[in-house]
Amino acid sequence: LAKTTQPISMDSYEGQEVNITCSHNNIATNDYITWYQQFPSQGPRFIIQGYKTKVTNEVASLFIPADRKSSTLSLPRVSLSDTAVYYCLVASTTDSWGKFQFGAGTQVVVTP
Amino acid sequence: EAQVTQNPRYLITVTGKKLTVTCSQNMNHEYMSWYRQDPGLGLRQIYYSMNVEVTDKGDVPEGYKVSRKEKRNFPLILESPSPNQTSLYFCASSARGSGANVLTFGAGSRLTVL
Repeated sequence: LAKTTQPISMDSYEGQEVNITCSHNNIATNDYITWYQQFPSQGPRFIIQGYKTKVTNEVASLFIPADRKSSTLSLPRVSLSDTAVYYCLVASTTDSWGKFQFGAGTQVVVTP
Repeated sequence: EAQVTQNPRYLITVTGKKLTVTCSQNMNHEYMSWYRQDPGLGLRQIYYSMNVEVTDKGDVPEGYKVSRKEKRNFPLILESPSPNQTSLYFCASSARGSGANVLTFGAGSRLTVL
C-alpha cells in the first residue's frame, strides 16, 4: 500500500487558487490517485481521480507528474465554502483492492 | 437518490452493551467498508467486504465484527464496547472496475461509550 504525505494545514483568501500536494513515493503501477473533501461531521465526498498527467472537472484539477511520486490538487478561486479537510488516497483498483489507507488529510481554511 | 445510509446517527451507550450500526447502500455496489475517524488521525479502515460473504480486516479491526449476508447491507457490530471505541464511524461503498476507489460515504454515526 502506498503511503501518502500531505501538509497538515493551508490557509487561503477567497478568490485565490489553492494547491495541495500529496507525496506518494512508493506508488505502484496499478495505483490510482483519488481526492476527497470532508466538511465537519459529514462523510468525505469524492472530488477527482487520476492516473497520470492532468485531469480536470467542474470542481478541481489534478496534476500528476510523469514519475507519479506526487500529485497536486488545485482548487481554483476558492470561496468560504471550500473550507474543509482534503484527503489524498492512493490505491489500486485491482491489486489488493479494498484495503485503503487514508492519511491525516489537509485542513484548508479560506478567509474573506 | 444513490446513497449510503447509516443508523443510528448518534448513540450513547455504556461499556459492555452490545450494539450494531447498520449500513445500507442502494447502488448495487460490490465493495463496502467501515472507517473510524478520531481527531488528528484521519480515517482508519476497520473492515471491508469485496462482495457477499467476503470480508477482511482493515487497519484497526480489534473489538469489531462485521457480516455481509446481503449485497446492500454491511452492519458493524461492537460485541462489548469500550470507551476507546468512542468515535465517528463512516460506512462507504464503491463498484468494481476503474471507479473502485471512488467511494460513496454515509453521513456518519457518532458513538459515545461511557
